[in-house]
Amino acid sequence: GAVVSQHPSWVICKSGTSVKIECRSLDFQATTMFWYRQFPKQSLMLMATSNEGSKATYEQGVEKDKFLINHASLTLSTLTVTSAHPEDSSFYICSASRTRGVGEQFFGPGTRLTVL
Amino acid sequence: AQSVTQLDSQVPVFEEAPVELRCNYSSSVSVYLFWYVQYPNQGLQLLLKYLSGSTLVESINGFEAEFNKSQTSFHLRKPSVHISDTAEYFCAVTLTGFQKLVFGTGTRLLVSP
Repeated sequence: GAVVSQHPSWVICKSGTSVKIECRSLDFQATTMFWYRQFPKQSLMLMATSNEGSKATYEQGVEKDKFLINHASLTLSTLTVTSAHPEDSSFYICSASRTRGVGEQFFGPGTRLTVL
Repeated sequence: AQSVTQLDSQVPVFEEAPVELRCNYSSSVSVYLFWYVQYPNQGLQLLLKYLSGSTLVESINGFEAEFNKSQTSFHLRKPSVHISDTAEYFCAVTLTGFQKLVFGTGTRLLVSP
């Protein structure tokens, strides 16, 4: 149990376009979802935390107008990279937690975004 | 704010040899500690965690880690590694009562025949 999926697994887009990445908890209800960004051979950096039905909380330095996060249901969160540029190319990973308190985070397989 | 240090960016070992991946954390309050493993082009999988109780925690595939409060460490060990253990290993910490995970920079374990 506790499976998290991401779609797409990889995407290539042109500079200036927007890309939407979906994160789904397949067999549990995720009250909280997290979005991370990982550059090659580096660690995960938390971008934002989203609770179902409320606005996402962004980490310092993350542009909320560029990285739109929606957590409309207990099983789905989306990250939209608006007006993508080559510097947005990265590996984006989501995770989900069953509870709002401290709980294990279950990670998705990640989405590789390449902006040309 | 809490932080995690993984001093070794890469650890090469031969198959069946023992290995230790080091993790030190910095925090003025109680923390929970985690080890995650990441295989190429995949997300993270939880390897083991320390929340409370016994300071020695074990995973199902032979890894173990020991929480040492006095040394603020949570080193990961395995007595005999396999080729399939080759992966990136991340240590992470969160404050008790909070959700945000802070990750170390990762250690790449390279197991060769």
